[in-house]
Order: sequence, then structure tokens, then C-alpha cells
Amino acid sequence: DAGVTQSPTHLIKTRGQQVTLRCSPISGHKSVSWYQQVLGQGPQFIFQYYEKEERGRGNFPDRFSARQFPNYSSELNVNALLLGDSALYLCASSLVFFLARMNTEAFFGQGTRLTVV
Amino acid sequence: AQKITQTQPGMFVQEKEAVTLDCTYDTSDQSYGLFWYKQPSSGEMIFLIYQGSYDEQNATEGRYSLNFQKARKSANLVISASQLGDSAMYFCAMEAQAGTALIFGKGTTLSVSS
Repeated sequence: DAGVTQSPTHLIKTRGQQVTLRCSPISGHKSVSWYQQVLGQGPQFIFQYYEKEERGRGNFPDRFSARQFPNYSSELNVNALLLGDSALYLCASSLVFFLARMNTEAFFGQGTRLTVV
Repeated sequence: AQKITQTQPGMFVQEKEAVTLDCTYDTSDQSYGLFWYKQPSSGEMIFLIYQGSYDEQNATEGRYSLNFQKARKSANLVISASQLGDSAMYFCAMEAQAGTALIFGKGTTLSVSS
């Protein structure tokens, strides 16, 4: 079975531009979460979607938005890019949106490395 | 507030030795899950082990075990018989409320030498 796939793997953008990152979850997984990982730090939660509805949002500005499609794939959009948006963006999928209640884990993709110049 | 603390920026160990990576957490919720992930230089996060707050037994998965001390709010990862391939960044994470996904610590870099 295919794991979580993210595209593109690498991306270089200019300040002020907009970017769209894509994520395909594991087949059967209905929950997708997005994380930002700045170099040398742990991942920071951005968004969580379950059954095409937003279920959680981290402390990120409104320049960040996301959506989940009927096939449970997801897109993360970032507008008006800043240098500080340079990071590894990770997507995770899971069967449920509350892992602890179901004793299950989240599976991560290989990430999209975004560089803003 | 939910928080994960990993106080060891780097750990060094020789092959075949055991190593313990520290993790403390803070939450007021009674139901929560604790996770350990490994991140090689390639970037992908690899799930290692899970401990639920109501689990009475410490979790084990092959060479990985989780030393769960609920009263002390600690969830240390123990890797037995280290291998060169264990060299990576290790993250402790917690999920305590639905919709908050995973909260990660800052990570510990493990270096295994021959």
C-alpha cells in the first residue's frame, strides 16, 4: 500500500508569492494534518481536517489556509510568502482525528521543503 | 497548556549500547497519547512507539520501549542495542485534545558510533 505522498518535494519561491502544497493520505484514512518544521525545531501544528471539515487550527496567520477534498487529499496554501516561511512542511494522515481515543498513530509523508528567497 | 519538553539536544552512544532519551509532558487532560517519532536526515517522520495515558503496562516495540511514569509526567524512550542506523533526530509528541493534533518537543539528536 502507498504511504502518505506529498508534492512537490522541493520548492523555491520568491517573497510575496503564493504556494500550494499537496498531500495524498493513506487509502482509508480520513484525517489529514499539516505541520511546519523550521530547521532545528520540532514540527508545529498548522491545520487538521477530518471528513473534509476543519477540526483544528494552530497558531498561524491567516496567510495559511487549507482544504480537504472528497477523496480526502488535501492542499495547504500560503499567501504573501515571507522568508520565515522557509521550512519543511509535513503532512500526516490517520484513520481518526483523535489518535489517543483510538490508540492509533499518525503516518507522515516525506515532506515538502519550501525555500523562500 | 499542553507542552512537551526534551532537555537533551544531543546524545552519543556506541553500537550495542542502550540509550535513554528523556521526555516530560504537561497536560491537565486525563486522556492523552504519547508518541515517539524518528526523523532521519531525509526528513520523513517514522513512528516508533505509542503509550496511552490509561495503559498500565509500558509499551514495547522490538528494540524500543517506553518508560512511562505518569505521576512524574515522563515518557522516556529506551533503545536497546543501538545500531548505526539509529542515528537520527528523535521527537516525543503528545495528543491531549481532539483537534490539536500532535504537539512535539524540540527533539534529541542521537549519534551512534562504531
